[in-house]
Amino acid sequence: SSELTQDPAVSVALGQTIRITCQGDNFRNYYASWYQQRPGQAPLLVLYGKNNRPSGIPDRFSGSNSGNTASLTITGAQAEDEADYYCNSRGSSGHHRVFGTGTKVTVL
Amino acid sequence: EEELVESGGGLVKPGGSLRLSCAASGFSFSAYIMNWVRQAPGKGLEWVASFGSSGSYIYYADSVKGRFTVSRDNAKNSLYLQMSSLRVDDTAIYYCARDLYSPSWDAFDLWGQGTMVTVSS
Repeated sequence: SSELTQDPAVSVALGQTIRITCQGDNFRNYYASWYQQRPGQAPLLVLYGKNNRPSGIPDRFSGSNSGNTASLTITGAQAEDEADYYCNSRGSSGHHRVFGTGTKVTVL
Repeated sequence: EEELVESGGGLVKPGGSLRLSCAASGFSFSAYIMNWVRQAPGKGLEWVASFGSSGSYIYYADSVKGRFTVSRDNAKNSLYLQMSSLRVDDTAIYYCARDLYSPSWDAFDLWGQGTMVTVSS
């Protein structure tokens, strides 16, 4: 199975832009999906596929893939964006799913 | 309203067994791949298992393969996780999650609230 590596923690000033990265071997074959998790809550899907946002997710969330890195960008971060963020993709088998190590985002 | 509700968690001794259930409502359950995902206290998310709409698509994480068995009953709109030979490091919140599957991506777009499993002597 593959691993997906994320920075443990990042911070951003209110209203500024932040990029959260996820490094893995299979992004040449598979897209990442991204999940926001606030304390005590279940994860929430915020981005998936090429750059798809579920209904209700603000357009300040966007994504991209480049080589072995998938990225989630929050343009104009808000206080409510403070949370843990996890990427997810397929492992080398193409059937196993893998979550990233998670990034704690602090909005200052 | 689309909803997933997990149940069956609790305290179990190492080596014991437990069966989790996930009841789905508000959507066509049989049309989706369903997953179990867990989160140990203070830790990140870990994918556990996937079960397709029929019995031909079943995959497990290496950490649970041979000990856990995922199943579903489409007539009852339910997903199950039979856990045996439980270990202390299986202690976690267990979530079920719906998968908007595509050949090149997954999207777990609907999650339950989770059920806590504690393995301790």
